[in-house]
Amino acid sequence: NAGVTQTPKFRILKIGQSMTLQCTQDMNHNYMYWYRQDPGMGLKLIYYSVGAGITDKGEVPNGYNVSRSTTEDFPLRLELAAPSQTSVYFCASSYYPQSTDTQYFGPGTRLTVL
Amino acid sequence: ILNVEQSPQSLHVQEGDSTNFTCSFPSSNFYALHWYRWETAKSPEALFVMTLNGDEKKKGRISATLNTKEGYSYLYIKGSQPEDSATYLCAFKSGGGADELTFGKGTHLIIQP
Repeated sequence: NAGVTQTPKFRILKIGQSMTLQCTQDMNHNYMYWYRQDPGMGLKLIYYSVGAGITDKGEVPNGYNVSRSTTEDFPLRLELAAPSQTSVYFCASSYYPQSTDTQYFGPGTRLTVL
Repeated sequence: ILNVEQSPQSLHVQEGDSTNFTCSFPSSNFYALHWYRWETAKSPEALFVMTLNGDEKKKGRISATLNTKEGYSYLYIKGSQPEDSATYLCAFKSGGGADELTFGKGTHLIIQP
């Protein structure tokens, strides 16, 4: 199993550009998550999905959109990139968020908006 | 928004010494407490999931305890080695059907040879 994969690993965007961060998991996990991590801060939840066709906002959803058309894929879309969206983005998945179910993280995407 | 605090923010420890750090979380509506280890340039990896008051988990030289009544968990590392250098994250899950984890900011541990 490849686990959770993310592409791209690095990206530089200009203000106002758009892009999609890809996330795929091959563990047949129901739940998927997008986090951002800023220096000196913890992981902040952007959006999550409990299954195909269902998405919910996390703590910091503004400026982002997600979709979940399949169990495997959970892309994160930035429509109008802003400098405040410069961050490292992590995708994660879990089979079911029961008390003992851990989240498995992807390698991250480092995004810079100039 | 749930408040999950970790202290200290960073820690320098001499190789061979033992160390510990703290995660504080809401003492009401507790469901689970997760610990993750996050090495630089890698992704977080799960260490422990703790659910019961008084729980103690161990993995090699690393162990963790849980006090849900007062809302804290300790992570201990015995005989620190350079490969223990990492950021250690705790994450709180509340009851009541919440699907997500709330992460602390982490304790950045540096082991000095």
